Amino acid sequence: GAGVSQSPSNKVTEKGKDVELRCDPISGHTALYWYRQSLGQGLEFLIYFQGNSAPDKSGLPSDRFSAERTGGSVSTLTIQRTQQEDSAVYLCASSPDSRWGYTFGSGTRLTIV
Amino acid sequence: GNSVTQMEGPVTLSEEAFLTINCTYTATGYPSLFWYVQYPGEGLQLLLKATKADDKGSNKGFEATYRKETTSFHLEKGSVQVSDSAVYFCALDANTGNQFYFGTGTSLTVIP
Repeated sequence: GAGVSQSPSNKVTEKGKDVELRCDPISGHTALYWYRQSLGQGLEFLIYFQGNSAPDKSGLPSDRFSAERTGGSVSTLTIQRTQQEDSAVYLCASSPDSRWGYTFGSGTRLTIV
Repeated sequence: GNSVTQMEGPVTLSEEAFLTINCTYTATGYPSLFWYVQYPGEGLQLLLKATKADDKGSNKGFEATYRKETTSFHLEKGSVQVSDSAVYFCALDANTGNQFYFGTGTSLTVIP
């Protein structure tokens, strides 16, 4: 597609439920990133995929968070047993080469009630 | 380690005023530097970039020069418009192939 597509754009869920967030990167972009943006905070790195290499999971805040990328394209970020502190905007970005910067999606606003 | 320190906001300016948003960085090696902009309700968009020392990135009237001696990449615009109201993020790519390092963002409001 023309840009990075994320779905859903908004998600409200009850504490303790699991959620899945989807990212469809730009076709041909081998690198895919997930970041989290909390109110009044900067961007927090979560995870990075590059081609078929093992992902860099160093930013995942707890074992409740996981992500996968199927076929080198679409990625899903899963949060299990959600907590209120998980409320944030989750941003996905892709890039053919990091020297050129990322292209971000519009994000998923996740609210845990 | 790698990090970006960005001027605290919020910043409020009158239309046609001069804008500077300060950004300094710490990095190992030779990073690339970026400014991203986030308009209300939208995702982050790449505004400009510089990949080596003394490079000047420019776009939409905004400029930033990669200063290795002062480890800075300050964003400037000579005459801001109401449509420039947004949050601006300075970012660093350490060229290690994984994450970018972002500043905390500076909110700019331009009033007519």
